[in-house]
Amino acid sequence: AQTVTQSQPEMSVQEAETVTLSCTYDTSESDYYLFWYKQPPSRQMILVIRQEAYKQQNATENRFSVNFQKAAKSFSLKISDSQLGDAAMYFCAYRSENTGNQFYFGTGTSLTVIP
Amino acid sequence: EAGVAQSPRYKIIEKRQSVAFWCNPISGHATLYWYQQILGQGPKLLIQFQNNGVVDDSQLPKDRFSAERLKGVDSTLKIQPAKLEDSAVYLCASSLDYRALEQFFGPGTRLTVL
Repeated sequence: AQTVTQSQPEMSVQEAETVTLSCTYDTSESDYYLFWYKQPPSRQMILVIRQEAYKQQNATENRFSVNFQKAAKSFSLKISDSQLGDAAMYFCAYRSENTGNQFYFGTGTSLTVIP
Repeated sequence: EAGVAQSPRYKIIEKRQSVAFWCNPISGHATLYWYQQILGQGPKLLIQFQNNGVVDDSQLPKDRFSAERLKGVDSTLKIQPAKLEDSAVYLCASSLDYRALEQFFGPGTRLTVL
């Protein structure tokens, strides 16, 4: 099974500031996809951003961007201009067609936004 | 577009009792997933359906867990008998098909086994 590691159980950020959440993964595949999901207290997982491994350009979605380092197997999420609504659990996930398209999730990072 | 629906939202049972969870995926989504999310962990796939067929159930504890997706739409996940370690949130997700890059998740069912 693939391993996805999130080494920061908890993070906090001041409102309007920038925060980076870390994720590393272990794979021998060359083609795969990486995701960041947000899970607010309501428990509904929401896709934040996706990165295809074959793309060198880092994905960006409004205030969310990633730093994808394929050789280092690192996939961090940067949240700019943090808002109170960004407070949630954030999960990094890996998916590959060679592993049956199954999603492998990390253990999550709990983000607190301080007003 | 309606999202993935799950019921109940909460369930408390005693160990050795039975429990069932229901999921209604997004209309037109062929692939349905059941995940178990234990407190402090990420979701772990239990079973994946493509229409009404099972694609992957390798991590489903088949001695006590069962799932079905009759007619390829709604799905039911059952635990019989429940153990204390089954306490978790059970998430249902769906996607257009098994190759689709995005899964859409329901709100989950929080199960507490006493």
